[in-house]
Amino acid sequence: GQSLEQPSEVTAVEGAIVQINCTYQTSGFYGLSWYQQHDGGAPTFLSYNALDGLEETGRFSSFLSRSDSYGYLLLQELQMKDSASYFCAVRGDTGRRALTFGSGTRLQVQP
Amino acid sequence: DTGVSQNPRHKITKRGQNVTFRCDPISEHNRLYWYRQTLGQGPEFLTYFQNEAQLEKSRLLSDRFSAERPKGSFSTLEIQRTEQGDSAMYLCASSPPGTGDFGEQFFGPGTRLTVL
Repeated sequence: GQSLEQPSEVTAVEGAIVQINCTYQTSGFYGLSWYQQHDGGAPTFLSYNALDGLEETGRFSSFLSRSDSYGYLLLQELQMKDSASYFCAVRGDTGRRALTFGSGTRLQVQP
Repeated sequence: DTGVSQNPRHKITKRGQNVTFRCDPISEHNRLYWYRQTLGQGPEFLTYFQNEAQLEKSRLLSDRFSAERPKGSFSTLEIQRTEQGDSAMYLCASSPPGTGDFGEQFFGPGTRLTVL
């Protein structure tokens, strides 16, 4: 089976940096994805890591350590519009294409 | 808008009734996924199609649930004899050949089902 753990809530102020951690357990591993979901909206893809290291896309970066079964999403220069839920997801089992999502981290950005 | 579309957006039904939802993926996407999401949780995988073939089904998918993608384009998800526990947001996602390997799926707005 597969399971992912991430904090349920994080609060930060505008302009700050916040890190959302994710640890996972899978029987196989292809990569770790991150999705953003605003209240009432659809999940939207942010980033993907298949290899160890840091991937940067604008204000957002994602990191993966396969040996530690751990990753994080780093959000810089926080804006009010970044208030949303953030989900890590893995495609783990061999041959399967379905994603298994964590329960999500609700980020609240305060002025 | 060329994104994933889902209809209806909201459905209220009485327990025991059957409901059917439709998903139209992005036109060149051959992979289609159904997920279910309840409040405060991440999406839970239900089933996956590659073209018209249903290749994966979650153990969560009881025999009351059936999905089809008859021509490899749109898909339908039917729930028979609905139960209150079926109340959730049903999300459809699609991906083109190749990028599915990179964990990127494009989600529709979802159909919110309420079973009374």
